[in-house]
Amino acid sequence: DIVMTQTPISSPVTLGQPASISCRSSQSLVHSDGNTYLSWLHQRPGQPPRLLIYKISNRFSGVPDRFSGSGAGTDFTLKISRVEAEDVGIYYCTQATQFPWTFGQGTKVEIK
Amino acid sequence: QLQLQESGPGLVKPSETLPLTCTVSGASISSGSYYWGWIRQPPGKGLEWLGSIYYSGITYYNPSLKSRVTISIDTSKNQFSLKLSSVTAADTAVYYCARHTCTNGLCSPGDHWGQGTLVTVSS
Repeated sequence: DIVMTQTPISSPVTLGQPASISCRSSQSLVHSDGNTYLSWLHQRPGQPPRLLIYKISNRFSGVPDRFSGSGAGTDFTLKISRVEAEDVGIYYCTQATQFPWTFGQGTKVEIK
Repeated sequence: QLQLQESGPGLVKPSETLPLTCTVSGASISSGSYYWGWIRQPPGKGLEWLGSIYYSGITYYNPSLKSRVTISIDTSKNQFSLKLSSVTAADTAVYYCARHTCTNGLCSPGDHWGQGTLVTVSS
């Protein structure tokens, strides 16, 4: 199985300041079709996860443009340009390049 | 508007089978662009993919569950289901159903999720 490792585990941030989360996979996520099936999810307390970013850098419908994804191969980053109060919660990276699909352990974003 | 809703028992006894159903409204489960699947989250822990199914019946399962998982689909009812056999306390979790947008079987997981249902395994 592909192991997804996120850093940091916890990220206290100041409102209006940027935040960054890293995700590293144990092997390349580049599929033979040329795509990289790396997504980012956000889960608020008591809520189901919601999709933010798919295929490294594509924002899902309705996701604010303060969220951006980047990376390639085995190293990926989610950036929030200016953190807002509604951005608190846990962020997960996930890969669907290879079965079984796997998730990072999550990064908790909280306001300082 | 697409909605997914999980239903099933909130309490299952050890060694029994956990049955859950996901009812989809606002879109046809027979659309060729999507897989449908189950993901679970033990209390206070992370996410685990259990498996996914296409409307034609093609399924993919997480091998870590050692053949305990069966996912089926009923296009006439716009529903898909999960059965997890021989459950133990370790299977206590919130179970989510979700839709995955796919092209040629390659997917971006979880573009829509149900609210989740807590299933506790206990005697």
